[in-house]
Amino acid sequence: DAKTTQPTSMDCAEGRAANLPCNHSTISGNEYVYWYRQIHSQGPQYIIHGLKNNETNEMASLIITEDRKSSTLILPHATLRDTAVYYCIVGASYNTDKLIFGTGTRLQVFP
Amino acid sequence: GAVVSQHPSWVICKSGTSVKIECRSLDFQATTMFWYRQFPKQSLMLMATSNEGSKATYEQGVEKDKFLINHASLTLSTLTVTSAHPEDSSFYICSAPGQGGSYEQYFGPGTRLTVT
Repeated sequence: DAKTTQPTSMDCAEGRAANLPCNHSTISGNEYVYWYRQIHSQGPQYIIHGLKNNETNEMASLIITEDRKSSTLILPHATLRDTAVYYCIVGASYNTDKLIFGTGTRLQVFP
Repeated sequence: GAVVSQHPSWVICKSGTSVKIECRSLDFQATTMFWYRQFPKQSLMLMATSNEGSKATYEQGVEKDKFLINHASLTLSTLTVTSAHPEDSSFYICSAPGQGGSYEQYFGPGTRLTVT
């Protein structure tokens, strides 16, 4: 079973920041938080991952709480192309381990 | 980034027939690949882990005799749906871990199977 809980859906205005929360209260000390997204009828795409420090890349920022029980993915300037289902996944530090997808958050960016 | 391809992108087959789906890592090697199934408006469900040169590891509830997985080379894994039925109609997606210290998995574009 997935170890994460996410809101079912969220809306965001184009150009605004999209903040997607995720709860992972049972995360283990050596487990990472991964974010992937899936645009309609395509394979998922990696966004970002983190262990305990906040992370930023060209796509997004990841904020992890100090107790590591929750995190927030931030898309700083959402565009219409960011409309997708976003999955928060808790997993091992090595990418050869399987990913267990939860229900994800359907983000709708509107004009 | 690394690319994973799938073939075919969509397939229609008659009930009772078998269909093979290919997953290829185009510019990197993958000793492990994963197969997922996704029904409309649902999340991805992991079916099995494909291991190069050895048997696949199936998730609980997935029939290994119905979903045959062969990982014969470092760049190719195949999923064969045997004796397909309409309830096997789904979106099948594969993934492969990146190399060289990468933390991400690369997903194929998916194969849409329709069984009539």
